[in-house]
Amino acid sequence: EDQVTQSPEALRLQEGESSSLNCSYTVSGLRGLFWYRQDPGKGPEFLFTLYSAGEEKEKERLKATLTKKESFLHITAPKPEDSATYLCAVQPPNDYKLSFGAGTTVTVRA
Amino acid sequence: DGGITQSPKYLFRKEGQNVTLSCEQNLNHDAMYWYRQDPGQGLRLIYYSQIVNDFQKGDIAEGYSVSREKKESFPLTVTSAQKNPTAFYLCASTRTGENYGYTFGSGTRLTVV
Repeated sequence: EDQVTQSPEALRLQEGESSSLNCSYTVSGLRGLFWYRQDPGKGPEFLFTLYSAGEEKEKERLKATLTKKESFLHITAPKPEDSATYLCAVQPPNDYKLSFGAGTTVTVRA
Repeated sequence: DGGITQSPKYLFRKEGQNVTLSCEQNLNHDAMYWYRQDPGQGLRLIYYSQIVNDFQKGDIAEGYSVSREKKESFPLTVTSAQKNPTAFYLCASTRTGENYGYTFGSGTRLTVV
């Protein structure tokens, strides 16, 4: 069974204090790794897809990286509006279903 | 604009009652999924469908049922057999054949009263 583990469970940051979230996975032959942002009471919103080790994607203050067994979501100089739960999901080969981690809840204080 | 619409946003169920959650998409996506989200847990797959008139059980299908009579629609029924139905339910869709992720609906929060 594919396993996806996200750490830490919760992260409290001061505005401008950069940090990283981790997503480790056990699936072999990854088809894709996905990052989503979820605000309270809403559906997840797509951020990035990563396909191969060494790949990086950026969007505003967020940067996602991928190695063979884990992915990092770096938040640079966060603002309060970056407060959300960030979900990681993996897609194994020969399947379209995603397996999700439990998420990291980020709170950024002004 | 294309997207996925879930309704209602909030739903209250009495003990022993069946309720149906609606999910409609106009993205022309082939595959549709239902997930359940509980605090502190990852999204857990209930049912999925990759083609009209066909669907498969996910990891936690007991107490739930679905249908896929139209490509655009994938309703989920929470039956009285589901003993702990209070949760946030998310519907998602995706194209098949390529490395697409999901597009999610805005969710339905179901509460047992």
